[in-house]
Amino acid sequence: AQTVTQSQPEMSVQEAETVTLSCTYDTSENNYYLFWYKQPPSRQMILVIRQEAYKQQNATENRFSVNFQKAAKSFSLKISDSQLGDTAMYFCAFMKRHNAGGTSYGKLTFGQGTILTVHP
Amino acid sequence: SAVISQKPSRDICQRGTSLTIQCQVDSQVTMMFWYRQQPGQSLTLIATANQGSEATYESGFVIDKFPISRPNLTFSTLTVSNMSPEDSSIYLCSVGQREKLFFGSGTQLSVL
Repeated sequence: AQTVTQSQPEMSVQEAETVTLSCTYDTSENNYYLFWYKQPPSRQMILVIRQEAYKQQNATENRFSVNFQKAAKSFSLKISDSQLGDTAMYFCAFMKRHNAGGTSYGKLTFGQGTILTVHP
Repeated sequence: SAVISQKPSRDICQRGTSLTIQCQVDSQVTMMFWYRQQPGQSLTLIATANQGSEATYESGFVIDKFPISRPNLTFSTLTVSNMSPEDSSIYLCSVGQREKLFFGSGTQLSVL
């Protein structure tokens, strides 16, 4: 079984600054995906970024980037130039890579979440 | 990504009643899932909604309590049966595309 741990219950940052959210995970799998999701007060779960474990290059999506350390099982999210709209709960999540006929696809294992507040 | 419409967005229900939540996707998708988010918690997978066959439930979730329908590749329902206050949660529909999971806006359920 997989576990995902987010050790920072809450974080805060000033607008326009950079913040890093931490995530560690434990798995015996070799092929998997890691995700960061954002959940604002509207409760919509929004996919922020995905990292494929077989890729060494860190994923980047505009102001969002990850630091993926496979050996250390660490997957942090960096938000640059923070904006007020980034205020939300952020979840780190793990998913085994889909195999044809497999039943694990779609089963996301989530961390406990980190509440991020961006201050003006 | 697929556009996922979920309704109702919220409801307040009495103990012992049932509520059916609908999830509509704007394109055909093979994989649809239902998640639960209890107050202050992260998400837990309830079941995979399989088109044309019974849903596949995760440990701790049973069909009698959470019956699921999946009549076609764009629609699914989740029923929360014989509700108790412990069922008060956010219920989210999710679809898989290109090995990413996208979520509907969720249903906030409160049981009195």
